[in-house]
Amino acid sequence: DAEITQSPRHKITETGRQVTLACHQTWNHNNMFWYRQDLGHGLRLIHYSYGVQDTNKGEVSDGYSVSRSNTEDLPLTLESAASSQTSVYFCASSGDRGRSGADTQYFGPGTRLTVL
Amino acid sequence: DAKTTQPTSMDCAEGRAANLPCNHSTISGNEYVYWYRQIHSQGPQYIIHGLKNNETNEMASLIITEDRKSSTLILPHATLRDTAVYYCIVRAYNFNKFYFGSGTKLNVKP
Repeated sequence: DAEITQSPRHKITETGRQVTLACHQTWNHNNMFWYRQDLGHGLRLIHYSYGVQDTNKGEVSDGYSVSRSNTEDLPLTLESAASSQTSVYFCASSGDRGRSGADTQYFGPGTRLTVL
Repeated sequence: DAKTTQPTSMDCAEGRAANLPCNHSTISGNEYVYWYRQIHSQGPQYIIHGLKNNETNEMASLIITEDRKSSTLILPHATLRDTAVYYCIVRAYNFNKFYFGSGTKLNVKP
């Protein structure tokens, strides 16, 4: 069955280190998204991509970057991890851009990141 | 993007219908209403979406008012496994971005 996976599921790192979180989907979806979730804030959009070589900033993109070299993967990189980036990160994908009723996002299981 | 307003929490007895309200008074005519839920620390799970007409699937029903300024998600026979945070989202027109609010914590009690 097609799915979306994230790795690692848990990560502890130190302030200043570079960290990359992986997201892989097997639906052949064009659209992929990264969110973070903190207590009291719900989910907030970090970056998103509508296809290979396309990346866009979300509402909380500072300190994060993404690259899209193929359809299946959208890795999220924290260039220099900060304690404020301790959070749960969710990746999502959807199969269509803008066409009515066909752009449901499907979420991965999440990565819990702790920055010490 | 239209913003949504939901109650912070609600209780429901097991076996009863759970009715979760959502206000989206600034919604545009071509924006859809989506509902997701998040059980404990899992990834959000899609439930249902609609534009103008009421919708029903195997999980729930979505009732949208005629003026589209509010909607209600109905879980017809709530079970303990339906305890979760439920998010009402309005999809930005022509974009796939979803803006999640704080949601409603539904507590289903025996």
